[in-house]
Amino acid sequence: DVKVTQSSRYLVKRTGEKVFLECVQDMDHENMFWYRQDPGLGLRLIYFSYDVKMKEKGDIPEGYSVSREKKERFSLILESASTNQTSMYLCASSSPRDRGDNEQFFGPGTRLTVL
Amino acid sequence: GEDVEQSLFLSVREGDSSVINCTYTDSSSTYLYWYKQEPGAGLQLLTYIFSNMDMKQDQRLTVLLNKKDKHLSLRIADTQTGDSAIYFCAEKTGGFKTIFGAGTRLFVKA
Repeated sequence: DVKVTQSSRYLVKRTGEKVFLECVQDMDHENMFWYRQDPGLGLRLIYFSYDVKMKEKGDIPEGYSVSREKKERFSLILESASTNQTSMYLCASSSPRDRGDNEQFFGPGTRLTVL
Repeated sequence: GEDVEQSLFLSVREGDSSVINCTYTDSSSTYLYWYKQEPGAGLQLLTYIFSNMDMKQDQRLTVLLNKKDKHLSLRIADTQTGDSAIYFCAEKTGGFKTIFGAGTRLFVKA
């Protein structure tokens, strides 16, 4: 059974803290993604990675960085958390080797609150 | 730029059909998707259609694609309370990106 796991379901941090969100997939997928989900805005892509140590900015990378040291793990880092980063964060993975539709498999999400 | 639009809310009675609509802007889309998100969970692929198809049927689900108007719809026949969820329309553009709509919250009244 395919699986994408995220380190926390709920997280509360203070403004200015450094925050790490971890995502692990067990499907040997090349591609991994970080989205944030906000009401009325849907999913917005923050960063994605198409291989180990490779990363590309998405639509809203400001205030975030990422790390992909191993194929199965993709980390999202908030260098100095701010209240406007309070959101639901979703990790996903996909592989070009899979079905031609490039289905993305999602983790359950991390709801981050920044006080 | 690339954009996917859908209405934010739909309410239907149990047993009726639900139709969720979506419009997209990128004419070079290869695949179009419908994802379902149940409360407290991540998104899960419900169905997809390749851009050279007009229709796809999968049990209670029917996807219609009007490429000329860049319009995609999802019809759920005999809607059940278990179908209550947020449904995201998405398009696969060139490269690695998939563009998601804002999601339509389907509420099924018993």
